[in-house]
Amino acid sequence: QSVLTQPPSVSGAPGQRVTISCSGSSSNIGAGFDVHWYQQLPGSAPKLLIYVNNNRPSGVPDRFSGSKSGSSASLAISGLQAEDEADYYCQSYDNTVSGSVFGGGTKLTVL
Amino acid sequence: EVQLAESGGGVVQRGGSLRLSCAASGFNFDDYPMHWVRQAPGKALEWVSRISWDGTTTKYADSVKGRFTASRDNNKNSLYLEMSSLRPEDSAVYYCAKGFSLNWYCDVWGRGTLVTVSS
Repeated sequence: QSVLTQPPSVSGAPGQRVTISCSGSSSNIGAGFDVHWYQQLPGSAPKLLIYVNNNRPSGVPDRFSGSKSGSSASLAISGLQAEDEADYYCQSYDNTVSGSVFGGGTKLTVL
Repeated sequence: EVQLAESGGGVVQRGGSLRLSCAASGFNFDDYPMHWVRQAPGKALEWVSRISWDGTTTKYADSVKGRFTASRDNNKNSLYLEMSSLRPEDSAVYYCAKGFSLNWYCDVWGRGTLVTVSS
């Protein structure tokens, strides 16, 4: 059971927009700690996708965007492409565990 | 190019020990905290440990506290994870990742090294 809750799977057709939610609590996201997102392609290491809620590292397409509100955060992917098929993880800091926590991951399927 | 390369994984019996290493290149290693994150087969990412830039401060997940020890040698641009009293549930791919002082995200990850603990 992960501290941050994500839907196990989402899907969308090419060109569509999908969102992935990340629900936390008053000890992590709700406490004001930042949310970060990672993309993990099959058989590969995770890659930083969004940092500090809504910032994209250099090289990440602007089709990817992040937002945070209250105790939750969301990752939006617009103009869905086949290459976006991957697992996506949210991450934050939790002051109960005094460390980092990840969501359970969401598998994105491009139909 | 910023790179991280883990090594030292393998098969070990329950109760055994193992030392993982992570070689860093392409950035000023001693400017950044470093993390260990693991992923059991088919499972989610799990944060394991964070060590400060100078090695004086370490944090651990409750699941490994007292059994795992992170350390670093800035002269060798290397990060280490000493694992003892290993359990089957410690079986996972272990990633080292570059962190930031004022936050907990990781912007560069290694390819990982597989640890298998047999029962």
